[in-house]
Amino acid sequence: KNEVEQSPQNLTAQEGEFITINCSYSVGISALHWLQQHPGGGIVSLFMLSSGKKKHGRLIATINIQEKHSSLHITASHPRDSAVYICAVPSNTDKLIFGTGTRLQVFP
Amino acid sequence: EPEVTQTPSHQVTQMGQEVILRCVPISNHLYFYWYRQILGQKVEFLVSFYNNEISEKSEIFDDQFSVERPDGSNFTLKIRSTKLEDSAMYFCASRTGQGGGQETQYFGPGTRLLVL
Repeated sequence: KNEVEQSPQNLTAQEGEFITINCSYSVGISALHWLQQHPGGGIVSLFMLSSGKKKHGRLIATINIQEKHSSLHITASHPRDSAVYICAVPSNTDKLIFGTGTRLQVFP
Repeated sequence: EPEVTQTPSHQVTQMGQEVILRCVPISNHLYFYWYRQILGQKVEFLVSFYNNEISEKSEIFDDQFSVERPDGSNFTLKIRSTKLEDSAMYFCASRTGQGGGQETQYFGPGTRLLVL
């Protein structure tokens, strides 16, 4: 069974700061998902990546398959980035196994 | 852009009552999922569904739970006799089925269920 760990659990930042959220998993995977959960509860898929790096606007996700580790970076953070960020990995049957999430608060 | 929809957004029910949570997956998707998130906890898998049958279910998905795709569009989760511990946010998700583990799952906005 794949164990998914995230750090930190909580993160506060001032607007403009560079944010890093980390995710590690115990069993090799084909791809890793980064998700954003809004304060209202809805979940949005941010990235799915299987190698290297992906960038979307101010968000950058990286993955090191050998080390079983991924990071999500937010450049020039903004209060609207405040949310819970979750990494998830597919099991061998394709259901997603979720990390505990990182609660990010960005203050003006 | 196509999206997964869920109804109702909120449901309050008495313990022992039956509830049906409804989802409309994206139209060309073939794989469907229900997940739930108890307040303050991580999202956990309940059940996956493909080709009109359950592909996999978790330990949580006991005899009180059932899923159905009654027509070509709706995907429902029924809890026959709700318990206090069923209070959670329930998410439906779907994917096309063309990418296996390397494929995005699209989530609905969730139904917040409160059992009193």
